[in-house]
Amino acid sequence: EIAMTQSPATLSVSPGERATLSCRASQSVSSNLAWYQQKPGQAPRLLIYYASTRATGIPARFSGSGSGTEFTLTITSLQSEDFAVYYCQQYNYWPSFTFGPGTKVDIK
Amino acid sequence: EVQLVESGGGLVQPGGSLRLSCAASGFTVSSNYMTWVRQAPGKGLEWVSLIYSGGRTYYADSVKGRFTISRDISKNTLYLQMNSLRPEDTAVYFCARVDYSRTSGAFDVWGQGRMVTVSS
Repeated sequence: EIAMTQSPATLSVSPGERATLSCRASQSVSSNLAWYQQKPGQAPRLLIYYASTRATGIPARFSGSGSGTEFTLTITSLQSEDFAVYYCQQYNYWPSFTFGPGTKVDIK
Repeated sequence: EVQLVESGGGLVQPGGSLRLSCAASGFTVSSNYMTWVRQAPGKGLEWVSLIYSGGRTYYADSVKGRFTISRDISKNTLYLQMNSLRPEDTAVYFCARVDYSRTSGAFDVWGQGRMVTVSS
């Protein structure tokens, strides 16, 4: 079974700064990797799919990179609405969809 | 507008049953792959179940044999029947659409979530 890990668990960033979040898969998931943003009391929102393609309506300050087992989500110039928890998810091995434990981005 | 609206859930005793509903608008449930994901209080996301457009179903090992995913074409609604509930099933349950055609499997539309609490 695929295991997903994320680091760091918590990232403290000042508004306007860059945030870099990491996600690792225990075996290759090719580019079948998605990133989601979740705010308290809300459903997750799809940000990135195919590791680097922004979903509809997602601002250009969100970018994804990586393939195989190592992935990165970068948020340039953090806005107040970007403070949230971010999850990566592999969808290479159907029907088991595995999420990472999440990275919380909070205000420094 | 493409949307999923959930209903059902609540408090149930261990061993009891509940059914969650997920009504879709703006697209057809039976033409899409649909899924359920849950989130225990203060925890991360856990995939629960999947139904293909053709009707084939899959379950996480943690719920296999106890939960059943289904859909009603006439109501354009997805369901999750949960039997033999355990305290560890306590979570917010989300329904979601699996966008296979464009993303090969990312979850692009989500319901708002419903809380299920299993406690005596």
